[in-house]
This record gives sequence, C-alpha cells and structure tokens, in this order.
Amino acid sequence: EDQVTQSPEALRLQEGESSSLNCSYTVSGLRGLFWYRQDPGKGPEFLFTLYSAGEEKEKERLKATLTKKESFLHITAPKPEDSATYLCAVQAGGNYQLIWGAGTKLIIKP
Amino acid sequence: ETGVTQSPTHLIKTRGQQVTLRCSSQSGHNTVSWYQQALGQGPQFIFQYYREEENGRGNFPPRFSGLQFPNYSSELNVNALELDDSALYLCASSAGQGMVSYNSPLHFGNGTRLTVT
Repeated sequence: EDQVTQSPEALRLQEGESSSLNCSYTVSGLRGLFWYRQDPGKGPEFLFTLYSAGEEKEKERLKATLTKKESFLHITAPKPEDSATYLCAVQAGGNYQLIWGAGTKLIIKP
Repeated sequence: ETGVTQSPTHLIKTRGQQVTLRCSSQSGHNTVSWYQQALGQGPQFIFQYYREEENGRGNFPPRFSGLQFPNYSSELNVNALELDDSALYLCASSAGQGMVSYNSPLHFGNGTRLTVT
C-alpha cells in the first residue's frame, strides 16, 4: 500500500536554528513529490515539486532534496514567519490523486 | 491572477442534512480536485473533475458527489451528513488537463470548515 510518513510531528526551534524535516514514502512508481506549507485556517500553499532522486530545489530559507526513499526539507536560519505546518505529498503510478503525509508543525521562537 | 476561492468559509449542519460547498478555480485552470482534511491530518482525496466529468475518486462513499461547470467552477455535495464528516474541505485547481504533474501543481483555496452536530 502506498504510504507517506512525515517526522517529526512537531518541531520547536529558536530563531536562526537550522534543522530538517523528513518525508519518507513507499509508493509504486514515484511520479512526483510535492512540498506544501499550511498556515492555520488556510489552505496548503505550494512550495516545491521534486521529480527524481538527486534533485534539489531552493526558495529563500528552504531547500528540498529527494532520494529514492525520502525527501528532506532543510530550513536554514529560520524566522518566526516560517512557523507553519509543512506537508508533503506524492503522486504514484497512474493515479491522479496525491497521497499526503500528516505534516510537521514547525514553531520558530523569536 | 485570481486564486482559488471557496464558499462558505464556515458551515454548521445537523446530522442527516445535506450540504453544498462551492469552489471557483484559479484563472486558466481546468481541473478541480476536492480534499477532506481532518484536524491534525493531511488532506484526503475525494475526487477530481476535468471537462465536467469525474476522472478520479478516492475512498469516499457515493453520498459524496460533485459537479464541474463549463467555467471550471465546481460544487461538492454531501448527503446524509454524519458526525465524522466534520472537517476542512479543500478545493484545489491545476492546469494539468486532468493530471497533477511537476509543472502543474495543485493550488488550494482556504477551505470550508464544516461542523456536523
């Protein structure tokens, strides 16, 4: 069964303290892995798509990487405004739907 | 560029009632998907519409149904509401002609918070 697991469930960091969020997946025929950010009471906001192992994408303080089994979202010198829940999702095989992890709630303290 | 808009933002219904949620897709997007998100969980795929036809469905019962209109807007209808239907319902649009792909990711609205009592 296709599955996506994110860890940790929650992460508290001090402003400027770099860290990484993990998204591990077991799917048949990965077609794409997506990272989204979700603020309370809002819909998910698209961040990155990763297509193949070894690929990397960057946006401001965020960098996403992909291997054959997992993806990491690295956050460098985070600021309080980076606080949000970060979701990853995968598209596998011939399916149209995305399979989502439960998310990592990131809290950055000033 | 207008983003995805959903209405209403909040809704309270009684068990057994029926509800209709509405979504206007982002300009230029022809595919609409609906997701259910329970508190503390990731979104769960309900179904997807392309060219006014359902072209993908998740593990949801037939009392969840939908429509897509010629202007690509969409409705989600839920009949015989149950307490477990309480959730955030998200609409997402994409320009992928029925497929989510690396160059046509989903763009979400801010959802409708449905509470069933």
